[in-house]
Amino acid sequence: SQQGEEDPQALSIQEGENATMNCSYKTSINNLQWYRQNSGRGLVHLILIRSNEREKHSGRLRVTLDTSKKSSSLLITASRAADTASYFCATDAGQGAQKLVFGQGTRLTINP
Amino acid sequence: NAGVTQTPKFRVLKTGQSMTLLCAQDMNHEYMYWYRQDPGMGLRLIHYSVGEGTTAKGEVPDGYNVSRLKKQNFLLGLESAAPSQTSVYFCASRTPPGYNEQFFGPGTRLTVL
Repeated sequence: SQQGEEDPQALSIQEGENATMNCSYKTSINNLQWYRQNSGRGLVHLILIRSNEREKHSGRLRVTLDTSKKSSSLLITASRAADTASYFCATDAGQGAQKLVFGQGTRLTINP
Repeated sequence: NAGVTQTPKFRVLKTGQSMTLLCAQDMNHEYMYWYRQDPGMGLRLIHYSVGEGTTAKGEVPDGYNVSRLKKQNFLLGLESAAPSQTSVYFCASRTPPGYNEQFFGPGTRLTVL
């Protein structure tokens, strides 16, 4: 079963606007990661936030984590056409954090 | 460094045929993974390996076998392909826990007729 559930499933905004995607998960985690997937390509790691962190920044990306609500959000500021992609959250799972469990993703479209 | 590579990129099989997908990584990673991605389903873990000579089942292992004879290679086998195995397959690798980023290959698009 999926650990992470992204919301919304699809998001379409104008270039320059901010995009916010949410992820909810079910069990306790050690960390949560966000990945981007361009059409027809493999996933690329964007950012990792540990369970004892509440917010993390990387360039135009801002990630928050609320362990009490078992949720995370990814904010992309000043969006660009090149940000058009699918975005997935992933949580560690299993003993020793050997595996990641991915959500179903949010399809983000940036309109010029 | 090439990172994670997958062979082949595309393949069409007939029901009942067999094939092997090859994943290779040059980052000296201990952990390797095989996922399948279907529309609207995200990535689902098929099998994974935490070291040379070891393998373990993931979420959807039925119909697949794997081998990790060398640290840099992880093979995914389909003994008797079925149309339900039509999917895009991704391989990934990473270092052990403590730094959990996974590095992905470009994917193999498999169609089973």
